[in-house]
Amino acid sequence: EIVMTQSPATLSVSAGERATLSCRASQSVGINLAWYQQKPGQAPRLLIYGASTRATGIPARFSGSGSGTEFTLTISSLQSEDFAVYHCQHYNDWPWTFGQGTKVEIK
Amino acid sequence: QVTLKESGPALVKPTETLTLTCTFSGFSLRTSGMRVGWIRQPPGKALEWLARIDWDDDKFYSTSLKTRLSISKDTSKNQVVLTMTNMDPLDTATYFCGRIHPHGDFCDYWGQGTLVTVSS
Repeated sequence: EIVMTQSPATLSVSAGERATLSCRASQSVGINLAWYQQKPGQAPRLLIYGASTRATGIPARFSGSGSGTEFTLTISSLQSEDFAVYHCQHYNDWPWTFGQGTKVEIK
Repeated sequence: QVTLKESGPALVKPTETLTLTCTFSGFSLRTSGMRVGWIRQPPGKALEWLARIDWDDDKFYSTSLKTRLSISKDTSKNQVVLTMTNMDPLDTATYFCGRIHPHGDFCDYWGQGTLVTVSS
């Protein structure tokens, strides 16, 4: 089973600043990597799939990159609505697994 | 539009069997490529894939939980049912169902989730 490790656990950022979140896989997953955003009391929302493709309706300030074992989610200029927990998930083979999440909080 | 909603008991006792139903609309599990999965999230913790069922009735289970899980579908009712046996307080979590994208292995639509507490 592939283990996904996200860092940092918490990221403190001011509105308008850039946020960079990392996700590492214990073995190569190619570009079979998705990112989700989750706000308190809500279900996750798909942001990125294929490591870098934005899902429908996702603003351009969200971008994903990476392949193999190292992935990055970048939020270019944080808006108030972006403060949330972000999860990565590989889907290279079953069982698919999530990282433990990165909380982006207001600095 | 695509919607999913989970239903089931909010409270179960240890050793009991949990049965959750995901009722969906906007797509059909009769359609080639369609799949539905179950994911859970203990309070304050990570998401965890539990199981998925495919349009052709293929079923996949979490490695660590496969002896306790069963997933099935009722295409006439647009429902997917997950059962988990021998519930333990560590199984306390919000349980989500989600539609798996027909051309990729990620959830593009999620239910709101249902909190299940395991306590005597």
